[in-house]
Amino acid sequence: GDSVTQMEGPVTLSEEAFLTINCTYTATGYPSLFWYVQYPGEGLQLLLKATKADDKGSNKGFEATYRKETTSFHLEKGSVQVSDSAVYFCALSNAGGTSYGKLTFGQGTILTVHP
Amino acid sequence: DSGVTQTPKHLITATGQRVTLRCSPRSGDLSVYWYQQSLDQGLQFLIQYYNGEERAKGNILERFSAQQFPDLHSELNLSSLELGDSALYFCASSVDGQARYGYTFGSGTRLTVV
Repeated sequence: GDSVTQMEGPVTLSEEAFLTINCTYTATGYPSLFWYVQYPGEGLQLLLKATKADDKGSNKGFEATYRKETTSFHLEKGSVQVSDSAVYFCALSNAGGTSYGKLTFGQGTILTVHP
Repeated sequence: DSGVTQTPKHLITATGQRVTLRCSPRSGDLSVYWYQQSLDQGLQFLIQYYNGEERAKGNILERFSAQQFPDLHSELNLSSLELGDSALYFCASSVDGQARYGYTFGSGTRLTVV
């Protein structure tokens, strides 16, 4: 079945450092890929998405490129802020067969940014 | 505010009891999804409804059931509760039945079984 693997955390950075969170996936067909963010005590918010190979999703300074050849969707940000501290989830949807609207999530990566 | 409303926000109950979690989808969305988030299992898909009909089922226990009503709100019923059912339960909604463009989550219901 479909699966998503994220780099192990937690990740601790200083403000203005460069961020990379790795995400790889296993899926048949042509899945859509997502990054969701969960701030403390809140629900998941869609951060960015890409629906086909070579698409780049971007939002709030975060970027990720859908790489079909390496089955990856790594999240990057050039300069993190304390307010970026949260849990980040990589996810995929694969609407073929009986999957319909199901999202398959990675295990999440905790990011802590210090001033 | 995401537009997806979940009630209650917190629920504490005893083992063996039954609870009902409620979700109102974002205006215009026809599909509702339920997820369970726990420390050991991560985010697990439970079930999806689209315009009142069950569309997909995931790792949902037989003690759990759900439905979507004509006004599109949904309820998740958890019965014979066990300590291991303690978790965050999220509802999400989307305008269609696919997740191709993602969907919108509510802020969750935290269930504690004691």
